[in-house]
Amino acid sequence: AQKVTQAQTEISVVEKEDVTLDCVYETRDTTYYLFWYKQPPSGELVFLIRRNSFDEQNEISGRYSWNFQKSTSSFNFTITASQVVDSAVYFCALSEALHRNHGTGKLIFGQGTTLQVKP
Amino acid sequence: DTEVTQTPKHLVMGMTNKKSLKCEQHMGHRAMYWYKQKAKKPPELMFVYSYEKLSINESVPSRFSPECPNSSLLNLHLHALQPEDSALYLCASSQDGTVNHYGYTFGSGTRLTVV
Repeated sequence: AQKVTQAQTEISVVEKEDVTLDCVYETRDTTYYLFWYKQPPSGELVFLIRRNSFDEQNEISGRYSWNFQKSTSSFNFTITASQVVDSAVYFCALSEALHRNHGTGKLIFGQGTTLQVKP
Repeated sequence: DTEVTQTPKHLVMGMTNKKSLKCEQHMGHRAMYWYKQKAKKPPELMFVYSYEKLSINESVPSRFSPECPNSSLLNLHLHALQPEDSALYLCASSQDGTVNHYGYTFGSGTRLTVV
């Protein structure tokens, strides 16, 4: 069965600190996709990154970086020099390659990590 | 247009009311989704429409009735809801119903309160 675990429920840091959000996943599929979404208090889920199971290159986008390691089934997210605007709930999600017989990529979310960045 | 628009943003309804949530996208996406999110929980999939056909119903009670009138619109009709149905209802879309796409685009949701 597919599962995503975000062990950190809440993290609090002071502005300009670096912070890493952990994500561990389980799947039997050989082809799958991993996502990170940000959910500010307004409620909208903001897409941050998508990574497929065949691409283990790390990625950097501004202050954001992601470390994908298939050997440990982890897809961790680091924010460098955090800012107050980074305060939000962050979800890691896994998309099945096929959902039963429907061929639809159902998103399976972790429980989310609430990040609070204090000024 | 790279947005998914949901209306209304907030809705309060009684247990005997009938109401509808609306979702619209103009990105040419052919898969649309309804998710339900309770406070401090992750979103949970309710329904998937692929090419205007219902492809997944995650055993959702019949008091929730989805409708996809065309490729740009997705409705969720609500009838005889219970207070425990109070939640944030999120709509999402993707290029098609497979995983070979660049992620899902979510709307900002409708915060539903059932009284």
